[in-house]
Amino acid sequence: AQTVTQSQPEMSVQEAETVTLSCTYDTSENNYYLFWYKQPPSRQMILVIRQEAYKQQNATENRFSVNFQKAAKSFSLKISDSQLGDTAMYFCASTTSGTYKYIFGTGTRLKVLA
Amino acid sequence: GAGVSQSPSNKVTEKGKDVELRCDPISGHTALYWYRQSLGQGLEFLIYFQGNSAPDKSGLPSDRFSAERTGGSVSTLTIQRTQQEDSAVYLCASRTGDTPYQETQYFGPGTRLLVL
Repeated sequence: AQTVTQSQPEMSVQEAETVTLSCTYDTSENNYYLFWYKQPPSRQMILVIRQEAYKQQNATENRFSVNFQKAAKSFSLKISDSQLGDTAMYFCASTTSGTYKYIFGTGTRLKVLA
Repeated sequence: GAGVSQSPSNKVTEKGKDVELRCDPISGHTALYWYRQSLGQGLEFLIYFQGNSAPDKSGLPSDRFSAERTGGSVSTLTIQRTQQEDSAVYLCASRTGDTPYQETQYFGPGTRLLVL
């Protein structure tokens, strides 16, 4: 069975600093995708970044990057130069080949402090 | 429209009443999902549509919940005889449907349901 675990319910970071959100997953599949979604107070879920499991290179999107450790089944999100607008709930998710299901973690609530 | 839209944005109802929630996916997206997000919780999968068919309804919490999709586009989630535990945000998401595990889901803003 596919599982996604986020062990940090809440985190805070000072504006302009760097923060890392943790996510671990479990799957027996070789082909899978991993995602980080952001849900601000407006409720709109927005894709932050995604990683293809077959790619060794970590995905980056501007201030957002991941540390994908395939052997450890770890997929952490690093936010550099944190901004007040980064305050949101962050969800880690995964999906595997041969399935339509996306499994979400329970989320980490991030607060960026001025 | 450019994104997934949902209506109403907020719904307050009395226990025992029926409610209908609507999702309008991105044009051309054949795959559609409904999720439930209870306060402080993650996303709970409810149902998945590919076109007008729902191959997986396993997430629907009880027979009070049903969903349909017509014309491969708009979907409605109906909750009959609402209970207070149905209070949650109901999120809809869509994707193109071509290659499941490679695709990104795009979410609507959700409907916040409050059952009094």
